[in-house]
Amino acid sequence: DQQVKQNSPSLSVQEGRISILNCDYTNSMFDYFLWYKKYPAEGPTFLISISSIKDKNEDGRFTVFLNKSAKHLSLHIVPSQPGDSAVYFCAASLYNFNKFYFGSGTKLNVKP
Amino acid sequence: EPEVTQTPSHQVTQMGQEVILRCVPISNHLYFYWYRQILGQKVEFLVSFYNNEISEKSEIFDDQFSVERPDGSNFTLKIRSTKLEDSAMYFCASSDGALPNQPQHFGDGTRLSIL
Repeated sequence: DQQVKQNSPSLSVQEGRISILNCDYTNSMFDYFLWYKKYPAEGPTFLISISSIKDKNEDGRFTVFLNKSAKHLSLHIVPSQPGDSAVYFCAASLYNFNKFYFGSGTKLNVKP
Repeated sequence: EPEVTQTPSHQVTQMGQEVILRCVPISNHLYFYWYRQILGQKVEFLVSFYNNEISEKSEIFDDQFSVERPDGSNFTLKIRSTKLEDSAMYFCASSDGALPNQPQHFGDGTRLSIL
C-alpha cells in the first residue's frame, strides 16, 4: 500500500532558513490531507491540514501547498527553528475521514 | 490540555500469547483509531471505531485482532496468538468528529515486543 509517499527520508536545514517537505499521493479520491510531527517516544502531533478544494493553507510559520493535478503536497516551515527537528508525516484520507493513509516520514534536522 | 493516554508504555509478550493494549481517549471524543508502526517503517492504519462498532479496517486487521470499548472511557486492542511480526509501536488516536478542523489526537504509543 503505497498510496502516500514521502521520497526524502531526511532533510537538513540551517536555522532561519526555509524547510520544504514533500509528499506525493496516487489516489485522486483523497479529499483531505494532513501533516503530523513526531518526536521520539511520542505519538504524532497534528500540525496543519488542507482540504482538496484548496491549494494553500497557512498557520503561522507553517504553510501547506496542494497541487492536485500533480498529486503533490508540500509543507513549508519558515523560518525553521531547532525545535522543529522531528519526523514529519503526511497523511491523506477519503471524504469520510475514517481511514488515514500515512507516508513513511521525513526526518527534519534544523541546525543551529 | 486533554490527551490520549496509552498503557502500558512497553509490553513484552511470548509468541502465541494474547495481549491487550489499552487506551483512554479524550473524554468527549467520538471516533477512535488504532495505528501501528513497525520499526523503521510508516505509520499504518489498523481500524477506526465509531458508535460502538468498527467503521473502517485495513487488510492488516484480520481475525487475530479485535477492538472493544468496554466502558465509557477505555478503548482496547486485543491481539490473539501473537506473532513475531506483531512487534511494533501501537498508537491509539481519537477525534471528536470526522471534520477537517477536528483532527486526530494521538497517544504516545505502546511498544509491543513479541519474543
